[in-house]
Amino acid sequence: DVKVTQSSRYLVKRTGEKVFLECVQDMDHENMFWYRQDPGLGLRLIYFSYDVKMKEKGDIPEGYSVSREKKERFSLILESASTNQTSMYLCASSSNSGSSYNEQFFGPGTRLTVL
Amino acid sequence: AQSVSQHNHHVILSEAASLELGCNYSYGGTVNLFWYVQYPGQHLQLLLKYFSGDPLVKGIKGFEAEFIKSKFSFNLRKPSVQWSDTAEYFCAVKVMEYGNKLVFGAGTILRVKS
Repeated sequence: DVKVTQSSRYLVKRTGEKVFLECVQDMDHENMFWYRQDPGLGLRLIYFSYDVKMKEKGDIPEGYSVSREKKERFSLILESASTNQTSMYLCASSSNSGSSYNEQFFGPGTRLTVL
Repeated sequence: AQSVSQHNHHVILSEAASLELGCNYSYGGTVNLFWYVQYPGQHLQLLLKYFSGDPLVKGIKGFEAEFIKSKFSFNLRKPSVQWSDTAEYFCAVKVMEYGNKLVFGAGTILRVKS
């Protein structure tokens, strides 16, 4: 079974703090993704990575950065958290081959509240 | 930019009613299509996917979807819903020319009354 884990289920931070969200997958997937999920807006892609040290901007990258130093780990960084970044953050991974080709597997999500 | 439209944000049905959730996308090229489901308090998980071949695809838990290329649609159906189908459903599209990104619709919240 593919497993995608995220470091925290719930997180409360203050405006201006630097926030790290960690994601780890155990299936040797090449691709990893960070989304935010907001009611009525669905999932919006923040950043994705198709290889170690590679990253691509998604649809809403402003205010975020990412790091992928190891294949299994993809970190999302909020350099200076703001209240409009209060959201549910979902990590996903996918493979470029095999029976689950391009199916994205999701983690449980981190609900971030910025006060 | 490509977009995915889900027609209804909230749907309420009684048990045993039939379900159809609409999904339309805006891109005319080669696409892969997905329906994901998120049960209360759980991860997003794949219901079904279409890559090529038979446009009628069957997924888990009795769900199916039909790809109609001429209508840019991929509607989700189930003949008889159960209370346990209460969840949020997301349609997603992968445009082959744009790499591995998925574009998601806004989601449809389904509540099934027992």
